[in-house]
Amino acid sequence: GESVGLHLPTLSVQEGDNSIINCAYSNSASDYFIWYKQESGKGPQFIIDIRSNMDKRQGQRVTVLLNKTVKHLSLQIAATQPGDSAVYFCAENRREYGNKLVFGAGTILRVKS
Amino acid sequence: DAGVIQSPRHEVTEMGQEVTLRCKPISGHNSLFWYRQTMMRGLELLIYFNNNVPIDDSGMPEDRFSAKMPNASFSTLKIQPSEPRDSAVYFCASRDDRVREQYFGPGTRLTVT
Repeated sequence: GESVGLHLPTLSVQEGDNSIINCAYSNSASDYFIWYKQESGKGPQFIIDIRSNMDKRQGQRVTVLLNKTVKHLSLQIAATQPGDSAVYFCAENRREYGNKLVFGAGTILRVKS
Repeated sequence: DAGVIQSPRHEVTEMGQEVTLRCKPISGHNSLFWYRQTMMRGLELLIYFNNNVPIDDSGMPEDRFSAKMPNASFSTLKIQPSEPRDSAVYFCASRDDRVREQYFGPGTRLTVT
């Protein structure tokens, strides 16, 4: 029978191109947001975070943008490499629940060589 | 640091059996989280400890699930009796509350037949 599960959006990019992964969050009271990368067979790995009082934060080859007006978060990866292929999750910190993270469904990034 | 350590990495058991998953958080971290990841529901927080005390167990599916943290360096998640729908990857994560990042372990893949 057909299996039913989360249908994760997939982003396919050519090696060397820039990638933009988007995320919508639900709670305007969340005080920070985190992007995680999960490779096959591994646990999620921290990439970058951003406080709610910031609009942009840059790391090594990654930039996170936060638009609080529309509750939107994006992760930009410059010069995407095959090793960037993974599932990417955004997470928002919910202080009202004792500082616990609520994760999005995830986006699959596939890098074509 | 060895990171968050989980055991076993894989567990296959029959329906009705008791399953115990183990986690050793990163030394010095004072928060510990248990998550479950499935294709159907994504990454879900089951329970969260702070300084060895359970803070939020609202994500625990039902009474068959229980978690303990007897000391700062060890936690268990127990399922008794196990059912096929408990099949998932279970992650443990820990955090130093002075910073925002949660560090995830490699996960335990549980299969209940």
